Amino acid sequence: DSGVTQTPKHLITATGQRVTLRCSPRSGDLSVYWYQQSLDQGLQFLIQYYNGEERAKGNILERFSAQQFPDLHSELNLSSLELGDSALYFCASSVRDYTYEQYFGPGTRLTVT
Amino acid sequence: GDSVTQMEGPVTLSEEAFLTINCTYTATGYPSLFWYVQYPGEGLQLLLKATKADDKGSNKGFEATYRKETTSFHLEKGSVQVSDSAVYFCALSPGHPQGAQKLVFGQGTRLTINP
Repeated sequence: DSGVTQTPKHLITATGQRVTLRCSPRSGDLSVYWYQQSLDQGLQFLIQYYNGEERAKGNILERFSAQQFPDLHSELNLSSLELGDSALYFCASSVRDYTYEQYFGPGTRLTVT
Repeated sequence: GDSVTQMEGPVTLSEEAFLTINCTYTATGYPSLFWYVQYPGEGLQLLLKATKADDKGSNKGFEATYRKETTSFHLEKGSVQVSDSAVYFCALSPGHPQGAQKLVFGQGTRLTINP
């Protein structure tokens, strides 16, 4: 158990809908990272927050957004969902701003039908 | 841009066999290199890391050496066990400050160990 929690574990929704994925980092960690794992794209970095501020962006679509709250939990919002958004979404956390010592949560499996 | 290429899987071995999973990278600057492991139904776990050329990372019997001259970071284990069955990801953290936050992953190699 990495100490990173993600909810929900599974999510099934229809095209065009909007969903919110939640992540709670390890106690004491200030950075949160979001990754998408899909069969065709592999594991890709989406976005990182540090202590409430956006720090880095990867291959994140404009339909996707994220934020980190004062209690340091983070939410990833996915809107106008398409079939191709079906994937496993991982959250990771770390103590400092930029570090490779990232601890991953168990992921949220999103299925868009 | 930065990228990681792993040997394609799946890889199937018998228990106690020798394991090598090849990984090569392309990066500007001096990246840090990692192997992560993903067991079924779980998130990724850091297996080992190396932050500079010629460093050897090791953990749980697995080893990998950062080879700058061949831009490689191959994962090895002398005697695999059934419990090593998982998906293994090679990854790098870019050496430049603008990219230091993200991990760039290879496509993953599924390893199955038969008793």
